[in-house]
Amino acid sequence: EVQLVQSGAEVKKPGESLRISCKGSGYSFTSYWISWVRQMPGKGLEWMGRIDPSDSYTNYSPSFQGHVTISADKSISTAYLQWSSLKASDTAMYYCARREDSLTFDPWGQGTLVTVSS
Amino acid sequence: DIQLTQSPSFLSASVGDRVTITCRASQGISSYLAWYQQKPGKAPKLLIYAASTLQSGVPSRFSGSGSGTEFTLTISSLQPEDFATYYCQQLNSFGPGTKVDIK
Repeated sequence: EVQLVQSGAEVKKPGESLRISCKGSGYSFTSYWISWVRQMPGKGLEWMGRIDPSDSYTNYSPSFQGHVTISADKSISTAYLQWSSLKASDTAMYYCARREDSLTFDPWGQGTLVTVSS
Repeated sequence: DIQLTQSPSFLSASVGDRVTITCRASQGISSYLAWYQQKPGKAPKLLIYAASTLQSGVPSRFSGSGSGTEFTLTISSLQPEDFATYYCQQLNSFGPGTKVDIK
């Protein structure tokens, strides 16, 4: 079964750093891009960026460029999303998703809830 | 960037109703459109891709149509488990969502 499993919920203070993870299984991890998608409380889906795990090439949405870093370790089939200095406005659910050849996102990870509060 | 709009943003319907949701693109996108269902507290689930191809395992009451700039998602007979929010998607853009609620 193709599966993406994300790391658990995080509670952080403003200014702290954070890295969340997304582990793929059941397929060749280097054959498909991984994207990260943000969903703020009660809001819609926003594409943040993607990585090609085969060579770690990344693309970011202009809205997120410079605010987050996407990386991957293909040896352990895991992609990461990280912040160097969190803000309260980063409070959201974050999903990873595999980019299919059909240009869709499937499957999705279960989501990681990030709460940033002083 | 292509902008996607959805209508309605909210609809109230009963079990057994036929429901249609529309997604419009700011420019022509051929048939490169997908639909997702998201239930509260859950990740989105792919329903339809390439505008009209049903993802494996998705019930046949779901169907999609359209090309160019206007697309529709139809649920032929709404079931209790279909109450959710539906999003359209093209490349890296998502529509704002349509919440389907119980009347």
